Amino acid sequence: AQSVTQLGSHVSVSEGALVLLRCNYSSSVPPYLFWYVQYPNQGLQLLLKYTTGATLVKGINGFEAEFKKSETSFHLTKPSAHMSDAAEYFCAVSGSSTLGRLYFGRGTQLTVWP
Amino acid sequence: EAQVTQNPRYLITVTGKKLTVTCSQNMNHEYMSWYRQDPGLGLRQIYYSMNVEVTDKGDVPEGYKVSRKEKRNFPLILESPSPNQTSLYFCASRTQPGQGNSPLHFGNGTRLTVT
Repeated sequence: AQSVTQLGSHVSVSEGALVLLRCNYSSSVPPYLFWYVQYPNQGLQLLLKYTTGATLVKGINGFEAEFKKSETSFHLTKPSAHMSDAAEYFCAVSGSSTLGRLYFGRGTQLTVWP
Repeated sequence: EAQVTQNPRYLITVTGKKLTVTCSQNMNHEYMSWYRQDPGLGLRQIYYSMNVEVTDKGDVPEGYKVSRKEKRNFPLILESPSPNQTSLYFCASRTQPGQGNSPLHFGNGTRLTVT
């Protein structure tokens, strides 16, 4: 079975500070991992994904995430926060044996202070 | 433009009055799915469809129905809405139904309030 735990339902940072959003997963098969972002009144947009290959994945808007199998983690980072990064972020996992079903974490609301 | 379109964006209704939320995608995707989003619970899958005439229950199917008569459309039907179905609903689609490594494309959501 697959599941995702996002540590911290709310994260606040100052503009220019490091953004770190934590995601741990549970999977009985090699996982596919995703980060999605949701801006107010919009649907979810794909930020980045890990399927196979390089464990450090770069996404849009300067975000990146590192797949660490030993820690079952896929934390999302950005070196310098921008006001426009304020949004809700969702980590999600699927696997080849799950018929493609995607399991979402509960989300982390990112606030960026000026 | 490739997109998933949901209608309506906002809907207020009363308990027991049947309603349908439409979803259409123009990307020729085989896989389509409905989610509901509630504060603190993330997104939970209601129903999904691997292809035309193939649908299956997700994690929270009670009180909902779906149909997939055409590839592009996947309507969500609430036969007798109740207040606990007040939520934000998202339709999503993906090109490869059985491949978990292809990302979902989401609509902009439908905010439903049942009084």
